[in-house]
Amino acid sequence: QSALTQPASVSGSPGQSITISCTGTSSDVGSYNLVSWYQQHPGKAPKLMIYEVSKRPSGVSNRFSGSKSGNTASLTISGLQAEDEADYYCCSYAGSSTLWVFGGGTKLTVL
Amino acid sequence: EVQLVESGGGLVQPGGSLRLSCAASGFTVSSNYMSWVRQAPGKGLEWVSVIYSGGSTYYADSVKGRFTISRDNSKNTLYLQMNSLRAEDTAVYYCARDDPWGDYFDYWGQGTLVTVSS
Repeated sequence: QSALTQPASVSGSPGQSITISCTGTSSDVGSYNLVSWYQQHPGKAPKLMIYEVSKRPSGVSNRFSGSKSGNTASLTISGLQAEDEADYYCCSYAGSSTLWVFGGGTKLTVL
Repeated sequence: EVQLVESGGGLVQPGGSLRLSCAASGFTVSSNYMSWVRQAPGKGLEWVSVIYSGGSTYYADSVKGRFTISRDNSKNTLYLQMNSLRAEDTAVYYCARDDPWGDYFDYWGQGTLVTVSS
């Protein structure tokens, strides 16, 4: 059982928007603005998409955005494209004892 | 260009040992926080260990006392020594570079598969 809770799957049609939630606790997501999101295509390494809740690394499309409210962080992908089909993982700092916790991952299907 | 290349994975019996390596290029390992993250087959990501630029090391409870993270500055390489391996350690092991403040993982290697089975 993962420390952060994500939906197992989400889907959307090309051009639509989807949101993936990531629910933690007051000890991780709720306490730190250190939530990051990673995209993973099958058989590939994870790729950083969002860091520090809502910041985008250079080279990542502005169709990807992040936010946080309380103990829940969210990743929104707008204007869905076929290449967005992948697994997405959230990650949060959880303090000096546990350090990092991940979500169980969400499989995004572009219909 | 930042590159991370893992090696050393393979099949090992329960109770056995294995050492993973992560050769880095395009940056200096000793100047960065470096982590190992693993992914069991069909499962999610799990943070395993980190070594800070100052040399401090930290581990997930699931591997504490069995795994040791280290680095060789002359080879610009990160290591993970894994002892007393268990079936539940079976996973693809990724090395990852933390950002300069240790707030996220900005570069990842392609991973190396460790299978613990008799």
